[in-house]
Amino acid sequence: EAGVAQSPRYKIIEKRQSVAFWCNPISGHATLYWYQQILGQGPKLLIQFQNNGVVDDSQLPKDRFSAERLKGVDSTLKIQPAKLEDSAVYLCASSLDSPTEAFFGQGTRLTVV
Amino acid sequence: AQTVTQSQPEMSVQEAETVTLSCTYDTSESDYYLFWYKQPPSRQMILVIRQEAYKQQNATENRFSVNFQKAAKSFSLKISDSQLGDAAMYFCAYRTSYSGGGADGLTFGKGTHLIIQP
Repeated sequence: EAGVAQSPRYKIIEKRQSVAFWCNPISGHATLYWYQQILGQGPKLLIQFQNNGVVDDSQLPKDRFSAERLKGVDSTLKIQPAKLEDSAVYLCASSLDSPTEAFFGQGTRLTVV
Repeated sequence: AQTVTQSQPEMSVQEAETVTLSCTYDTSESDYYLFWYKQPPSRQMILVIRQEAYKQQNATENRFSVNFQKAAKSFSLKISDSQLGDAAMYFCAYRTSYSGGGADGLTFGKGTHLIIQP
C-alpha cells in the first residue's frame, strides 16, 4: 500500500514570496490533515478536511495561509506572502473515517530567508 | 483545549537497557485516545503505540509498552531492550474520541529526543 506522498521535500524562498505544497493521501482515506512543525516543537494542526470539506481550520492563519482539497483526494497548502516565522516542516497526514490512526508523509521542509 | 506535556527534552540509554519516556496531558473529556509517535531524521511520523482511554489495560507492542494512569492523566512509554534503531524524537499525542466526522486532529507534546548509546 502506497503511503502519503508529499512534494517538494525541501523549499527555500525569500520572505514575501508565495509557496505551495502538495499532498496525495493514501487511497480511500477520507480525512486529510495538514500540520506545521516548527523546529524543536511538536506538530500543530493547521487544517483538517473530511472528503473535500473543511472540518477544522481554527489554527490556520487565514490572512496568509490557504488550503484546498479538490475532489476529496489531493490537497494543496499555500502561503502568500511568506514570513520568516513560517520556516518549518509541513506534514500531511491521512486516515480512514476512523479515530484510531493517522498516517503521515515525510513532510516538506520550508526555509524562508 | 487539550494540552500535552513532555518534560524530558532528551533521554539517553545504553543499548539493550530499558528507558521510560514521560507524558502528561490535560483534558476535560472522559473518552479519548493517546498515542506515541516516533520521528526519525527522515521526518516521517511513525505510530509506535496507541491507547484508548476507556480501556484499563495498558497497551503493548513488542518491546514497547505504556503505563496509562487515567486519574493522574499520565501516559508514559517504556522501551525494553533498546536498540540503535530506536534513536529518534518521540512525541506523545492526544486525540478526542470519534465524533462522527468532526474535528479530531492530534495535539502533540514537544517531544523527547532519545539517544541510544552503543
